[in-house]
Amino acid sequence: DGGITQSPKYLFRKEGQNVTLSCEQNLNHDAMYWYRQDPGQGLRLIYYSQIVNDFQKGDIAEGYSVSREKKESFPLTVTSAQKNPTAFYLCASTTPGWDTEAFFGQGTRLTVV
Amino acid sequence: AQRVTQPEKLLSVFKGAPVELKCNYSYSGSPELFWYVQYSRQRLQLLLRHISRESIKGFTADLNKGETSFHLKKPFAQEEDSAMYYCALTGGGNKLTFGTGTQLKVEL
Repeated sequence: DGGITQSPKYLFRKEGQNVTLSCEQNLNHDAMYWYRQDPGQGLRLIYYSQIVNDFQKGDIAEGYSVSREKKESFPLTVTSAQKNPTAFYLCASTTPGWDTEAFFGQGTRLTVV
Repeated sequence: AQRVTQPEKLLSVFKGAPVELKCNYSYSGSPELFWYVQYSRQRLQLLLRHISRESIKGFTADLNKGETSFHLKKPFAQEEDSAMYYCALTGGGNKLTFGTGTQLKVEL
């Protein structure tokens, strides 16, 4: 069953702790993305990666870090420097070419307690 | 910098009425524009892309470079069209940017 898998679905973190969200895809896509979804603010781009071992900051990268050591995996770490980490996080990957299409995971809801 | 603006957070129409979801963009080059939709308890998914000039589920969208707009239209709204709609843009370098979304509610 091809697609994008995010885990866990729900995550609770204590203030001051780093936490890593997992995103795995078996679609053989080069490009992968992390978005944050907050009510009324749509999807805001955190980081994206066009190819293995390369990634770029999005519009709200402060307090986050990523790695892209494998084509299939693009984990996101929410660090203690992120001031307001409680949110819904979405991972996506895109097909190449002019008819590109983004495929999304089901998301991870992170709550800081 | 690239930006997508959706001015309406909520659009409520009656079944059978025309629908227009507004989208304006800012990008210095030649963008690729998309509409994505999220139905209740489902994943975000592609609805249509401007380059394909397609009509999906009765929806169409025309890219107007002069007005930098990509409004989504449907002549007769159906109850199953109720969902969250996002306009998106990609420019050079694969950066995919979304708007803030518009919740469409089709009332009987």
